[in-house]
Amino acid sequence: GEDVEQSLFLSVREGDSSVINCTYTDSSSTYLYWYKQEPGAGLQLLTYIFSNMDMKQDQRLTVLLNKKDKHLSLRIADTQTGDSAIYFCAELIDDYKLSFGAGTTVTVRA
Amino acid sequence: GAVVSQHPSWVICKSGTSVKIECRSLDFQATTMFWYRQFPKQSLMLMATSNEGSKATYEQGVEKDKFLINHASLTLSTLTVTSAHPEDSSFYICSARERRGASPLHFGNGTRLTVT
Repeated sequence: GEDVEQSLFLSVREGDSSVINCTYTDSSSTYLYWYKQEPGAGLQLLTYIFSNMDMKQDQRLTVLLNKKDKHLSLRIADTQTGDSAIYFCAELIDDYKLSFGAGTTVTVRA
Repeated sequence: GAVVSQHPSWVICKSGTSVKIECRSLDFQATTMFWYRQFPKQSLMLMATSNEGSKATYEQGVEKDKFLINHASLTLSTLTVTSAHPEDSSFYICSARERRGASPLHFGNGTRLTVT
C-alpha cells in the first residue's frame, strides 16, 4: 500500500472552497508537493512546501502543513470548473524520489 | 519554467512488438529522470530511476529486461517496452528534476500505450 494517504473523492460547488487532505509517514521528508492531473494528461506541479514551514499561499492555493501529525492540506479558494481534476500529494523520499498518494478526484458542480 | 517533453503521446502496437518512448528535458539538464506507470484511476507507480551515463535503478517487481531504460544524455531518457503484451497497456509518464533534493519533479504529458 501507499505511504501517503488521501481521501479519494471530493465534490464541491463552484465558488466554494475546496480542501484536500493528505497524511504522510516519513517524518524526515523535507519537501511535500501537490500535483494536478487533468484527464489524459501528465502531472502539473501546483505548489510545494518545505518542511520547516507551516503555511504557504500562492494566489487561490493555500497549503497547510502540520508536521507533528504529518498532515498536509491544500485549500483552493473560489473553486472553478477548471479545477476539476485529480490532485496528488507527494513526499520527497531519500532526497531524490517522490512517493505519491492515490489521488483525490475533485468534481466541481455548478 | 522547466519543461519535459514526452513522445509519443499515444501509441498502438501489436502484441510481440517493441515500443520506444522518449523523455526530454527541454530547458534544463537532468542527471536523473524517473519513469512511472499509471493504471486507470490509480496513482503513479515508480518503475525505475534513470541515471545519465549509468544503469537504471529498477523498483522491486519491475522487469528490467522487459522495460529497457537508456539515459544517453543529460536531456534524453528512453523507455523501451520489449515484446509488448496487452497487460503492458497503460499510461507511462516520465519526470525529471534539475538537481537532487529540493527542486520539484517536472512531468511529461504521458504516453498512452495500447497493445492489441
